[in-house]
Amino acid sequence: EAGVTQFPSHSVIEKGQTVTLRCDPISGHDNLYWYRRVMGKEIKFLLHFVKESKQDESGMPNNRFLAERTGGTYSTLKVQPAELEDSGVYFCASSQEMEQYFGPGTRLTVT
Amino acid sequence: DAKTTQPTSMDCAEGRAANLPCNHSTISGNEYVYWYRQIHSQGPQYIIHGLKNNETNEMASLIITEDRKSSTLILPHATLRDTAVYYCIVRKHNFNKFYFGSGTKLNVKP
Repeated sequence: EAGVTQFPSHSVIEKGQTVTLRCDPISGHDNLYWYRRVMGKEIKFLLHFVKESKQDESGMPNNRFLAERTGGTYSTLKVQPAELEDSGVYFCASSQEMEQYFGPGTRLTVT
Repeated sequence: DAKTTQPTSMDCAEGRAANLPCNHSTISGNEYVYWYRQIHSQGPQYIIHGLKNNETNEMASLIITEDRKSSTLILPHATLRDTAVYYCIVRKHNFNKFYFGSGTKLNVKP
């Protein structure tokens, strides 16, 4: 069974540009989560989808971040426009039972 | 969700058991204890979880005290590949988010 996959693995963009991160959860998992770790900080929750609905988006830092999960399968996280402080590693996780399974992350560098 | 307290770092000799403690003195009756680890910069990896009984799987054992205020993750025969940051997380029985603290950096030495 394939695990959670994320694309791209790395992205380097300039401040003010737009970046879209993609997450493919484990097949059949209704719950999908986004987390991120910015430099030197702890891993922080961003938001939680149940199928295509946003269950909890309390961790989204501001309105420059937009997450979607059309059709309840893969999810995208768009950052527009990107700022320097958005640099970090963005993790996606999915679950069907109690444990969450994480992807390898996307390392975003904003210059 | 209750907060957890873990030592910042620990060392363990290769082949020996690694015992990682976690304090969660404010845990409530419906909160589970989860353990995850992050090897280098990979995504966090699920290890084990439990409510009040001790649990064992192919990776580790989880020992929860009777009052549930603390727990210990045991890696029975640590290898160099077990070097990682280990996170102890307390969460209610739902699909809520995880709060990752600073974790314990486990260094397995030859």
